[in-house]
Amino acid sequence: DTEVTQTPKHLVMGMTNKKSLKCEQHMGHRAMYWYKQKAKKPPELMFVYSYEKLSINESVPSRFSPECPNSSLLNLHLHALQPEDSALYLCASSQGPPTITTGELFFGEGSRLTVL
Amino acid sequence: TQLLEQSPQFLSIQEGENLTVYCNSSSVFSSLQWYRQEPGEGPVLLVTVVTGGEVKKLKRLTFQFGDARKDSSLHITAAQPGDTGLYLCAGSMWAGSYQLTFGKGTKLSVIP
Repeated sequence: DTEVTQTPKHLVMGMTNKKSLKCEQHMGHRAMYWYKQKAKKPPELMFVYSYEKLSINESVPSRFSPECPNSSLLNLHLHALQPEDSALYLCASSQGPPTITTGELFFGEGSRLTVL
Repeated sequence: TQLLEQSPQFLSIQEGENLTVYCNSSSVFSSLQWYRQEPGEGPVLLVTVVTGGEVKKLKRLTFQFGDARKDSSLHITAAQPGDTGLYLCAGSMWAGSYQLTFGKGTKLSVIP
């Protein structure tokens, strides 16, 4: 069983909706990540939080807004998404931040997002 | 250009056969990780290799890191249907922070 928990597992939303994806880890990891994965493609990095601060934003459109309320929680707020944003959104954590360690990633099971 | 070339992209074999998946690059990595992902699930870390020439075994899976730390291979002996999934290699490289680059993945189907 994964120690990174993501909710919801499935989400369907319209282009005018506002929704959030949530991620939680209790391994004491200091870095948390959001990845986007389209079908039959590898995960693409979106954001990295190190010690609860945003350290990497891979030029992600502002309709995706990350938030890290504390060291165990990571949210991804979604607003005015497009159908092409439909994908599997993966949260991951690593023991240390990417400035210090090569960071083996522990992934959650993902949130399958469909934008109508 | 893809930093990490993974091959083959698709592989369909019979139960009991052996197979090898390759991950190649012209860049040197500080480490390389292999993940396995099942449909609708997140990737699960299988192994990390760090030292050039390193070989690690995980039951029927053998992982090797090239001497120059530019390439890696995953060999599966006597494949089982439970080995079916997407295998991803990911190389870690320092560029101000450690950047993890994924290969495109190998979709393995093991037919009973």
